[in-house]
Amino acid sequence: DTAVSQTPKYLVTQMGNDKSIKCEQNLGHDTMYWYKQDSKKFLKIMFSYNNKELIINETVPNRFSPKSPDKAHLNLHINSLELGDSAVYFCASSPPDGTEAFFGQGTRLTVV
Amino acid sequence: GESVGLHLPTLSVQEGDNSIINCAYSNSASDYFIWYKQESGKGPQFIIDIRSNMDKRQGQRVTVLLNKTVKHLSLQIAATQPGDSAVYFCAETSTGANSKLTFGKGITLSVRP
Repeated sequence: DTAVSQTPKYLVTQMGNDKSIKCEQNLGHDTMYWYKQDSKKFLKIMFSYNNKELIINETVPNRFSPKSPDKAHLNLHINSLELGDSAVYFCASSPPDGTEAFFGQGTRLTVV
Repeated sequence: GESVGLHLPTLSVQEGDNSIINCAYSNSASDYFIWYKQESGKGPQFIIDIRSNMDKRQGQRVTVLLNKTVKHLSLQIAATQPGDSAVYFCAETSTGANSKLTFGKGITLSVRP
């Protein structure tokens, strides 16, 4: 059983388009995250949600809008995609005490 | 795949040797640390963790050492195998509500057969 699953795995799109990445976790965790991994493999947190509430927004452009319909889902919508948005995006979840985060398999976004 | 011009530090070891991967963390308030392994095309996977009230923790073939004085974390892998080849990350956090994991720069471990 997949603990944290995100779709799609690959996404190729043109500049200016709007796209969404979906994430679901079946671990019963209250906290979910979005991380961005750049071409140098650096992992940086973008957002954190706790029980559907936004907790952390790490100065991400407002073209990025996370949405959490329930505590098991955290989707990422990106408007007006730019070339610099190309990266691998990871969803993760963790227990309430903020210990071990479990990661999804990643979504490789390529903006052309 | 990896991009041209990737500048991750790389540790190359012979199969069967022990590997030591080092990490300097930044926040003296961090009280929980994790090592993650990331294989190509996959998300980071938990290897081992350690809390700040400990200085050593052992798992199966892996040991994590924590030196809070110099804010240094290391991961030791015994009898390194080809399947250990991956990018390794250390991560730190302060546990509790509104916590977030902050990752260090990855280190590529390459195991020579």
